[in-house]
Amino acid sequence: GEDVEQSLFLSVREGDSSVINCTYTDSSSTYLYWYKQEPGAGLQLLTYIFSNMDMKQDQRLTVLLNKKDKHLSLRIADTQTGDSAIYFCAESSGGYNKLIFGAGTRLAVHP
Amino acid sequence: DTAVSQTPKYLVTQMGNDKSIKCEQNLGHDTMYWYKQDSKKFLKIMFSYNNKELIINETVPNRFSPKSPDKAHLNLHINSLELGDSAVYFCASSQGDLGKLFFGSGTQLSVL
Repeated sequence: GEDVEQSLFLSVREGDSSVINCTYTDSSSTYLYWYKQEPGAGLQLLTYIFSNMDMKQDQRLTVLLNKKDKHLSLRIADTQTGDSAIYFCAESSGGYNKLIFGAGTRLAVHP
Repeated sequence: DTAVSQTPKYLVTQMGNDKSIKCEQNLGHDTMYWYKQDSKKFLKIMFSYNNKELIINETVPNRFSPKSPDKAHLNLHINSLELGDSAVYFCASSQGDLGKLFFGSGTQLSVL
């Protein structure tokens, strides 16, 4: 069935890089996504990658996709305190934008 | 000007009551969703409407009834509220099939 898994917690020092990992099961997903949720707010799309790509870079964000292992990662360079949030990995399954979300990784950035 | 707005932001009610949550989007999107986020932050789709037509209906109790009077609005009515319904409910909208969802800020429902 459809399943997306992520580690639940990551703590990094300000200025270091953060790497958030995700594994998914639906190999037919056309796109894979990273959403960010700040406290008390809804999710916002950070970035997404098409399934025939293996890397996408967008300013401080780098997404790596290993389709063979069904592994997706999000790297945030020079992590700042404003990056503290919950990061959700998602795959599209079954069309109609039916996104399956992971449980979210809580990123804590400390001085 | 908020893109996806839902009301109320907080809803505290007794078990057995009936309540509604409203959602409106001003992005001109064709598709709207309801998601439920539990206390562990796990997010699961409940319903999706495309141009007022129900297209996704996950295994949600029939006490939950969505209504879309037009493509800019998707409301959620819940009958006979139960303790387990306590969660944050998010409305979202999108256009096309790229999975770019725009979320509202959520309605925190607490059933006592």
